[in-house]
Amino acid sequence: AQKITQTQPGMFVQEKEAVTLDCTYDTSDPSYGLFWYKQPSSGEMIFLIYQGSYDQQNATEGRYSLNFQKARKSANLVISASQLGDSAMYFCAMREVNRDDKIIFGKGTRLHILP
Amino acid sequence: DTEVTQTPKHLVMGMTNKKSLKCEQHMGHRAMYWYKQKAKKPPELMFVYSYEKLSINESVPSRFSPECPNSSLLNLHLHALQPEDSALYLCASSQETSGSSVRIEQYFGPGTRLTVT
Repeated sequence: AQKITQTQPGMFVQEKEAVTLDCTYDTSDPSYGLFWYKQPSSGEMIFLIYQGSYDQQNATEGRYSLNFQKARKSANLVISASQLGDSAMYFCAMREVNRDDKIIFGKGTRLHILP
Repeated sequence: DTEVTQTPKHLVMGMTNKKSLKCEQHMGHRAMYWYKQKAKKPPELMFVYSYEKLSINESVPSRFSPECPNSSLLNLHLHALQPEDSALYLCASSQETSGSSVRIEQYFGPGTRLTVT
């Protein structure tokens, strides 16, 4: 079974609109961390935002925020006021405290921002 | 400075060649990683080094040989590769590897696009 599920293979969004990228996860560990990475066509994976399982508040980093719903096991990424430079592949990932040093990645969502 | 550098950016090699990929970070990180990424797929973990010792080998074929000469450098030696090994090879580093902490962001380099002919 997939541990990280990203159900949107591709999305097209008008510039300046807000975007929500979906991510659900599956774990029985009480302690885990959730990450979002952006990968432009150049290839580099860029760390965007982190949410810990015990964090009381949703994480925010500039235009990025994480809508963390623990009971539903979802960690959606919200990008406000999208820009053309946001066009990229976005990966949701999870690290479980009892699973060595591995980060498990979802399959990704390809985001296209339209001018 | 959250920078991981990788050289070369592109590499074309024949199946009988020997080549090496290099990765460097100067963030004082003690954990370094090699990933392989095929087109339109997520990265797949290959190796993890923790404090310059190999801690994870994800059953990678022996034609890939990692090396960590010091805490800032990570190499991947390539020998007798197959065309299916063509991919983007990403290096990453993190502050540490720890069983008790989950907040360990990995910082990635730009990758080396490898083509095996």
